[in-house]
Amino acid sequence: AQSVTQLDSQVPVFEEAPVELRCNYSSSVSVYLFWYVQYPNQGLQLLLKYLSGSTLVKGINGFEAEFNKSQTSFHLRKPSVHISDTAEYFCAVSKASGTYKYIFGTGTRLKVLA
Amino acid sequence: DVKVTQSSRYLVKRTGEKVFLECVQDMDHENMFWYRQDPGLGLRLIYFSYDVKMKEKGDIPEGYSVSREKKERFSLILESASTNQTSMYLCASSWNQNEQFFGPGTRLTVL
Repeated sequence: AQSVTQLDSQVPVFEEAPVELRCNYSSSVSVYLFWYVQYPNQGLQLLLKYLSGSTLVKGINGFEAEFNKSQTSFHLRKPSVHISDTAEYFCAVSKASGTYKYIFGTGTRLKVLA
Repeated sequence: DVKVTQSSRYLVKRTGEKVFLECVQDMDHENMFWYRQDPGLGLRLIYFSYDVKMKEKGDIPEGYSVSREKKERFSLILESASTNQTSMYLCASSWNQNEQFFGPGTRLTVL
């Protein structure tokens, strides 16, 4: 079975500073990996995904993530955050074949401070 | 653009009531999902459906049932609502594994 761990429940960061949100996963089979963002009072929106190929994945709003198979990690990064990036971020994993189900992490609340 | 809509943004019900949460998608997706979202627990899958009249239990199906009579509509049913079902409910749909598209959510309060 797959599992996802987001160790940081909250991350405060000042505007224009860099940020990294951590995600580690566990799986005995090949996986797809995702980052979703949830702005206040909204549903989830896909930020980026890793399916195959280049391990560095670029997404919307200047975010990127790197798939590291040896460390079973998929950390999300942004070099310079804006107030508008304040939101909750969810990492998710899916088996690469045989299912459409995702397993979500518990989320990281990013708060960007002025 | 894919659109997933949910019938209510906010809902207040009493313990023991039967509750219907409706979800409609407009992109002819085969797969539809119901999650509940709770602080500190993330999203947990309740049920999903991979075709009309087909359903499969997720991780926390107890106390819930679902109905999918038409491809575009997936309903979540709470047969007898309880206070521990107070939560945010999110519906999603997908073609395949590559992306799930989410609705805005229904915040259900059971008194």
